Amino acid sequence: EDQVTQSPEALRLQEGESSSLNCSYTVSGLRGLFWYRQDPGKGPEFLFTLYSAGEEKEKERLKATLTKKESFLHITAPKPEDSATYLCAALTNAGKSTFGDGTTLTVKP
Amino acid sequence: DSGVTQTPKHLITATGQRVTLRCSPRSGDLSVYWYQQSLDQGLQFLIQYYNGEERAKGNILERFSAQQFPDLHSELNLSSLELGDSALYFCASSVGNSGFTDTQYFGPGTRLTVL
Repeated sequence: EDQVTQSPEALRLQEGESSSLNCSYTVSGLRGLFWYRQDPGKGPEFLFTLYSAGEEKEKERLKATLTKKESFLHITAPKPEDSATYLCAALTNAGKSTFGDGTTLTVKP
Repeated sequence: DSGVTQTPKHLITATGQRVTLRCSPRSGDLSVYWYQQSLDQGLQFLIQYYNGEERAKGNILERFSAQQFPDLHSELNLSSLELGDSALYFCASSVGNSGFTDTQYFGPGTRLTVL
């Protein structure tokens, strides 16, 4: 059975305190690994897609990396507006998406 | 704004009833996906349609069904509703069904409350 596990469940940071979020996956035939940001009561907002181990993508204070078993979302010098739930999802070759439960990030000023 | 629209925004109904949720994908997108998000189960993939045809199925109950119409909008039908069906239902769309065009863009969701 396809499985995606995110850790930690919740993360509280001070503004400017860098950290990483983890996404471990066990799926049959990974086609892509996606990261989304979700604000309360809203739909997930696309951040990154990673397709192969070793691939990295950056956007402002966020950087996503991928290995054969996990992906990391690194947050450098976060700001309060980065507070949200970050979801990762694995898309298989069969077209099925499996989402993790998310990491809720709170950045205090 | 992702370009994906969903109606209605909120829906309150009773157990045993049937409801229809509607989704219009982004212009040019051929794939539509449906997801259910509840507090205890996170975001669950239900079903995907590509250009009118069912392409992938997730944890969709037999009481639920979906279809994609020739104009590419999609409807998710939920019947014999139970209290546990209360959740946020999201629709997402993407350009295609294969290759490197799998990025999904999510709509704002429909909040279903079953009383």
